[in-house]
Amino acid sequence: DTGVSQDPRHKITKRGQNVTFRCDPISEHNRLYWYRQTLGQGPEFLTYFQNEAQLEKSRLLSDRFSAERPKGSFSTLEIQRTEQGDSAMYLCASSFGGGAETQYFGPGTRLLVL
Amino acid sequence: AQSVTQLGSHVSVSEGALVLLRCNYSSSVPPYLFWYVQYPNQGLQLLLKYTSAATLVKGINGFEAEFKKSETSFHLTKPSAHMRDAAEYFCAVRADKLIFGTGTRLQVFP
Repeated sequence: DTGVSQDPRHKITKRGQNVTFRCDPISEHNRLYWYRQTLGQGPEFLTYFQNEAQLEKSRLLSDRFSAERPKGSFSTLEIQRTEQGDSAMYLCASSFGGGAETQYFGPGTRLLVL
Repeated sequence: AQSVTQLGSHVSVSEGALVLLRCNYSSSVPPYLFWYVQYPNQGLQLLLKYTSAATLVKGINGFEAEFKKSETSFHLTKPSAHMRDAAEYFCAVRADKLIFGTGTRLQVFP
């Protein structure tokens, strides 16, 4: 068990460019979550998957954001036409089911949009 | 809707002093409550969680939290602070996704 991994760890891009982040969950976990954290704030939920099905999306997830988990394993989060307001830490977490099951977090991808 | 409120965005203590980080929750159903710690430029690490099995929950690094339904609280405590405890602490309630508080930054002075 190597934990949740995210790639890249840091990304600097220019406004208007597209970016894609990857998350590899703990292998036996069927749930995968994406959160966004801005400076001085707690993480905010974006979306989550159970296996390959995307079960919930936050209102924070505008139409410029899309997430996939095509084979129920790794997931990608794409941001199109980035804006400066997209600058944040993007966190991925995974768990085995819901309820009281612990969500394990990856190290995050820090995005800076210039 | 479920939510958590963390009272105090910054807490400063001396090394060896009691640590008390406050969290109040709002939930229409019995909640699952969590405390996570975040060190600079890192992800979140679980400290402890309440799952209704016991109201006093012991976690890692000497931290514990007590679930008090009458006060809708889940405060985090540690009897004696250490320099390595300096970090950001988040309380969260789970409703499939986690709903986090705004965090409390703990500073520990020698």
